[in-house]
Amino acid sequence: GAVVSQHPSWVICKSGTSVKIECRSLDFQATTMFWYRQFPKQSLMLMATSNEGSKATYEQGVEKDKFLINHASLTLSTLTVTSAHPEDSSFYICSARGLPKAGAGDEQFFGPGTRLTVL
Amino acid sequence: AQSVTQPDIHITVSEGASLELRCNYSYGATPYLFWYVQSPGQGLQLLLKYFSGDTLVQGIKGFEAEFKRSQSSFNLRKPSVHWSDAAEYFCAFSGAGSYQLTFGKGTKLSVIP
Repeated sequence: GAVVSQHPSWVICKSGTSVKIECRSLDFQATTMFWYRQFPKQSLMLMATSNEGSKATYEQGVEKDKFLINHASLTLSTLTVTSAHPEDSSFYICSARGLPKAGAGDEQFFGPGTRLTVL
Repeated sequence: AQSVTQPDIHITVSEGASLELRCNYSYGATPYLFWYVQSPGQGLQLLLKYFSGDTLVQGIKGFEAEFKRSQSSFNLRKPSVHWSDAAEYFCAFSGAGSYQLTFGKGTKLSVIP
């Protein structure tokens, strides 16, 4: 199956700093990438949908100025957590959707996630 | 409201025993349904999916799920659990033609040797 990578896998930063997380589709072109946030023992909550070459669409309640998303190419999307605070500590997961196959429906391929800890 | 419910937060089974993880959805039409497994340090892996057709879906690793429209359910089953199946399992759905997934809260599976 298709592979999606995330970098870094974990990061610790000081409060007030910004952190960038990369999401790459390694063997396919991702027309759409998704960013999720997962709290301990909770489900994945969709934060935003990112289409290559256009602005991301944010879910209700997600601050677009705090969580900057850039989908610069068909294989790379980045999430930047700006002025991070302890409450931003979470597990961030990206997924990528490739070019749809006729009759196959849609499938997302998930990255391994990035654990962010803000001190 | 559109939602997915996984009633069981944590299930423990003995190795070799059968398994059923429950999933119910609330949606105005027939959704696309998915089961994912999440292991520590790894991304979510798709076990199986239902779009249309045969309501009994076969997936990877010996898993299967049955779509029951009358019960709005999509329960995951495996006849004989292996220790390596211990993980977190998520049920998810999207609207037909949509690609946005709504996830349940997950069921943690523990396997006793």
